Amino acid sequence: SQQGEEDPQALSIQEGENATMNCSYKTSINNLQWYRQNSGRGLVHLILIRSNEREKHSGRLRVTLDTSKKSSSLLITASRAADTASYFCATDNYGGSQGNLIFGKGTKLSVKP
Amino acid sequence: GAVVSQHPSRVICKSGTSVKIECRSLDFQATTMFWYRQFPKKSLMLMATSNEGSKATYEQGVEKDKFLINHASLTLSTLTVTSAHPEDSSFYICSASRQVLLYGYTFGSGTRLTVV
Repeated sequence: SQQGEEDPQALSIQEGENATMNCSYKTSINNLQWYRQNSGRGLVHLILIRSNEREKHSGRLRVTLDTSKKSSSLLITASRAADTASYFCATDNYGGSQGNLIFGKGTKLSVKP
Repeated sequence: GAVVSQHPSRVICKSGTSVKIECRSLDFQATTMFWYRQFPKKSLMLMATSNEGSKATYEQGVEKDKFLINHASLTLSTLTVTSAHPEDSSFYICSASRQVLLYGYTFGSGTRLTVV
């Protein structure tokens, strides 16, 4: 069943601008992960934030998690044309011990040079 | 890092035939692998969990006799779409994890299946 819901569904920005994508989910989670998918390709893991963490950074990526609101955001700073892709949030309810990921519908990001 | 290889990347088959998709973990052992299906411009939906040495666990609504999963070794899981129909045309992706909390899940590059 669908868990994460990304917002917006599509986002178009200019190179150099920041891109913010939001994700909401419904049930308790062990961790939340963000993935990137280029058109017609597999997914690439970007970042994982655990339920007891509030913010995490990785390079130009910043992820926040608010478990009280059951929401997360992904910020890509100083975007590049190569960041053009679909971004999915996914919740892991079991910490990988037995579970699987439940994906949102994704945000399609277009970065114009 | 963890690498998952999926083959083939694209396949076209005739209605009524069967197609096998392979998913291999190249540099780690995976007792569990996951098979997802993705419709155009849609999210990924989990089809089944593949367990090494035992039967796969299928999600509700997924026909186990149509989507046969075999996980005969710690590095290989296969998904066979039997008696394929045009509505089975989709993008199928497998995933596995070495250490989820450190590396997340690693996905194969996906298989685009077209049934004509």
